Parts: sequence; C-alpha cells; structure tokens
Amino acid sequence: LAKTTQPISMDSYEGQEVNITCSHNNIATNDYITWYQQFPSQGPRFIIQGYKTKVTNEVASLFIPADRKSSTLSLPRVSLSDTAVYYCLVVLYTDKLIFGTGTRLQVFP
Amino acid sequence: DVKVTQSSRYLVKRTGEKVFLECVQDMDHENMFWYRQDPGLGLRLIYFSYDVKMKEKGDIPEGYSVSREKKERFSLILESASTNQTSMYLCASSLVTGGFYEQYFGPGTRLTVT
Repeated sequence: LAKTTQPISMDSYEGQEVNITCSHNNIATNDYITWYQQFPSQGPRFIIQGYKTKVTNEVASLFIPADRKSSTLSLPRVSLSDTAVYYCLVVLYTDKLIFGTGTRLQVFP
Repeated sequence: DVKVTQSSRYLVKRTGEKVFLECVQDMDHENMFWYRQDPGLGLRLIYFSYDVKMKEKGDIPEGYSVSREKKERFSLILESASTNQTSMYLCASSLVTGGFYEQYFGPGTRLTVT
C-alpha cells in the first residue's frame, strides 16, 4: 500500500512556475502537510506547511484540496538555484510520520 | 542561527562493529529524530524522542537503538553493524509547538559498513 506518491523527477526552465504534487491517501485528520527542499550533501530544509486550502510564503505556495488526499507545492519563477530534491511530509492516520520519496527538480537556463 | 550538528560526515565500519552516531542541537528543541536516507526510498524514520530519556520507534527501528540522556544530544546506536545498514543517516530536531513539521536537519553522516 503506497503511503505517499510523488513524481520521481521534473524538468523546468528558469522563470517558469513549477508545481509538484504529493498524493497521500491515508493522511491523519488533524495534522499538517509539510514540504522540504534538499540540496546535495545537505540535510532537508523546511519550505512550507499547511492544513488546507492555500498557504503562501516568500518562497512557495502550497495548495491542499478539501479532501486532503494530495497537496501541490508551487514554486513561482524558478531559478537555477531551485534545482534540488523536494519532499512532502505527512502524518498518516496510524500516527506514522512519512516522508515522500522525493521529486528531483532540474532547472535549465 | 539554528544548528544541528552530527559527529561525522563520513564513517567506515566493519561488519559486527558497534557504531555510535551523535547528534547535537543548540536550539533547546524537545523533539529529536533519526532518519536514514537511501536512493529511491527517501527518508525513513528510525526513532524519535520527544523528551530526555523518552523514545518512540519509527518505521524501521530494527537493528538500531537510541539514547537521549541530555536534551541537546540524541545518539543512534548500531549494536552490530551490517552491510544493509550502509546509508546516509540524518538527524533532525523540532520544537514541541511545531510538532513534527518544521524540523531542522543536520548535514548527515554517510556510513559505509564493509
């Protein structure tokens, strides 16, 4: 039973908007969805978290539909420095803390 | 500035050795976590601790134990290292009010067991 599903990789060009989706069918009712960014040879870094609808900060937006079975991280106008692996983090209904398997974003000039 | 440090960036051990991985955070965080990261599998939680001397099993605790004698320090112990424990090990911490969500990670320890 898949717990979270993310695309393995995505390509984009500088200046484009990138949307990365994480599917999480068995998410706990009351917990947040969180996204992280990881560069090579570094630990993951917190980007954004949300519970439902839309959250925006200076780095990204997070869209969560009413059924909370998925979430979409939106990166506006990506640059080369956004090339990284992006992970969603959820808490399942079983109280298990689960990271997605990660999406490798490659941004081209 | 928030800081999580891990005792080694790279470690090579032999099968059967006892291995200690140390993690220290300077943010007075209550929660601390140990993960392993493998290609294609993402990050998997081994153990976490929500207070001194308290611990909870994560997804893959088999073959590992942990120790938290002081709030700032969380140790991961491989009692008898095996080759399938070759991996990148990441430590993280978070505030209680942040729950599990906003975690601060160390740089990782790449462990090779030969």
